[in-house]
Amino acid sequence: KQEVTQIPAALSVPEGENLVLNCSFTDSAIYNLQWFRQDPGKGLTSLLLIQSSQREQTSGRLNASLDKSSGRSTLYIAASQPGDSATYLCAATDNYGQNFVFGPGTRLSVLP
Amino acid sequence: DTGVSQNPRHKITKRGQNVTFRCDPISEHNRLYWYRQTLGQGPEFLTYFQNEAQLEKSRLLSDRFSAERPKGSFSTLEIQRTEQGDSAMYLCASSFQPLTSGNYEQYFGPGTRLTVT
Repeated sequence: KQEVTQIPAALSVPEGENLVLNCSFTDSAIYNLQWFRQDPGKGLTSLLLIQSSQREQTSGRLNASLDKSSGRSTLYIAASQPGDSATYLCAATDNYGQNFVFGPGTRLSVLP
Repeated sequence: DTGVSQNPRHKITKRGQNVTFRCDPISEHNRLYWYRQTLGQGPEFLTYFQNEAQLEKSRLLSDRFSAERPKGSFSTLEIQRTEQGDSAMYLCASSFQPLTSGNYEQYFGPGTRLTVT
């Protein structure tokens, strides 16, 4: 059974700092890994999706990497801004995208 | 608006009552997923549909829960005889699965927050 963990559970950084969020999964037979952002009381916004054949994806100030052999993915946020404050969740799919397993999330606070 | 929509956004009900939620996916998406999320946790998978067929159900989906997607478009999630433990955010997501392999990127709706008193 796939299990996904995220560390740290919470992170507080000053504006402008670069930061890394970590996601670990137990079953390396994943098809996709997707990173989401969730604002309080809201739904999830997709940030980046990495297919199992890829090593990384980039969108603006965000870069996500995937290392299936070690069961890890990282989300790198460059030059953080207060508007980046949210909970960041990663989710791994099993084969054929039949089941998404989410981590508990990292709550990020970027202080002005 | 071409995103995933969910109604109602909030529902307060008394224990023992039945509730029904609706999800309208992105129009060309053939897959539709339901999740439940409690405070401080990531979403937990409940069930998913490929067109109108319900292909997988989690152990979390007790007999009091039923989901339908009658015409392969919108979906409903019904909870019968609600319990206080059913209080959570219920999230719907949709994706497109092509005939060949694809990326299955999921797009989420805003969720329905259920409070059972």
